Amino acid sequence: DTGVSQDPRHKITKRGQNVTFRCDPISEHNRLYWYRQTLGQGPEFLTYFQNEAQLEKSRLLSDRFSAERPKGSFSTLEIQRTEQGDSAMYLCASSVGDLYNEQFFGPGTRLTVL
Amino acid sequence: GNSVTQMEGPVTLSEEAFLTINCTYTATGYPSLFWYVQYPGEGLQLLLKATKADDKGSNKGFEATYRKETTSFHLEKGSVQVSDSAVYFCALSGGQAGTALIFGKGTTLSVSS
Repeated sequence: DTGVSQDPRHKITKRGQNVTFRCDPISEHNRLYWYRQTLGQGPEFLTYFQNEAQLEKSRLLSDRFSAERPKGSFSTLEIQRTEQGDSAMYLCASSVGDLYNEQFFGPGTRLTVL
Repeated sequence: GNSVTQMEGPVTLSEEAFLTINCTYTATGYPSLFWYVQYPGEGLQLLLKATKADDKGSNKGFEATYRKETTSFHLEKGSVQVSDSAVYFCALSGGQAGTALIFGKGTTLSVSS
């Protein structure tokens, strides 16, 4: 399977703990995106990378959130001092440059903060 | 700002019925428009897209036409199947809306036999 993969698929943590999620994009895709989706809502943009450069961050991305894409391949999203409001599905997507920005999504990581 | 508005669901239809899910958008410039689908237990999949005014995107019997004059991108299918039951998201990106996808809230479709 050469699609976007995410790990873990599910994460349960206690409030105040740190969590890290990983995304592996489709191999030839130079753009990588993170979104957050809560129940009954559409995905909301968090941040995106072109190769290893983080080019845009949403105001939703508080200072407790940090994302990296160190070698322009996989990416990690870390949430520090988790809060119950962070409970959501975290989606990763990738695309090829400006090709109509058709983004391919991974299965998501479902985070539950107790 | 840039936004997408979809008709509220759920939409409940019998098999072989005609489907329309309305989507309108607000954006500066000339964004690309998309419909994504999320089947139960699965990730988001691109269903169809249109990149300029009057383009028609189509896939799996679904169609949507990019109407700049009415800022709409309504999803239609002539005869739905039980397997079409899913959540459908309208989205835009590009133009002055930037590279991120901006999604509507989603419309749940339930088709019964």
